[in-house]
Amino acid sequence: QSVLTQPPSVSAAPRQKVTISCSGSSSNIGSNYVSWYQQLPGTAPKLLIYDNNKRPSGIPDRFSGSKSGTSATLGITGLQTGDEADYYCGTWDSSLSAVVFGGGTKLTVL
Amino acid sequence: QLQLQESGPGLVKPSETLSLTCTVSGGSISSSSYYWVWIRQPPGKGLEWIGNIYYSGSTYYNPSLKSRVTISVDTSKNQFSLKLSSVTAADTAVYYCARLGPTSSLDQIDYWGQGTLVTVSS
Repeated sequence: QSVLTQPPSVSAAPRQKVTISCSGSSSNIGSNYVSWYQQLPGTAPKLLIYDNNKRPSGIPDRFSGSKSGTSATLGITGLQTGDEADYYCGTWDSSLSAVVFGGGTKLTVL
Repeated sequence: QLQLQESGPGLVKPSETLSLTCTVSGGSISSSSYYWVWIRQPPGKGLEWIGNIYYSGSTYYNPSLKSRVTISVDTSKNQFSLKLSSVTAADTAVYYCARLGPTSSLDQIDYWGQGTLVTVSS
């Protein structure tokens, strides 16, 4: 049972847009920055978004993040088959003094 | 470019202690801006945070694992280590070491090791 809640899977066609939600509480998303990670099959996770909506160098602007209250959203536009991966949200939980993750969302590009 | 590399046995017997080391290169583990973290991922499942350590030795542990986990740091070798005692099959996972920061927000895990699979089996 993950502290943050994500849909298990989402799908969309190439070149379309998809959003992935991440729901938490006042002690985690509600009071701390959110990050998003992309995990391609067989590889380590990679930081995709940090501080709710910032992209590390090298991450294309097709990827975006937002936060409102105790929820966060990852958006991906112009979907490519190479975007098929598991996506995780993460943040710090001030009550638990712990890093917490969502359960992950598998993106399928049909 | 910062790099992290996990090392340690890939097979551990039930009830024994799992021991892994993460070697950091291309940067100093003594940076005041970051923590160093262990994360694991059971086969086919999601990410689970194990714990963090600061270069000074200050730690945070996952409450569900706290009684069995010890994370330590060796700044002279630019390494940090994980010990997980009394392992069972449920501890079988890919174990990642990574960098967590900045200390003001602890929200970004920006550098990851490649991960190492540890199997618990007799």
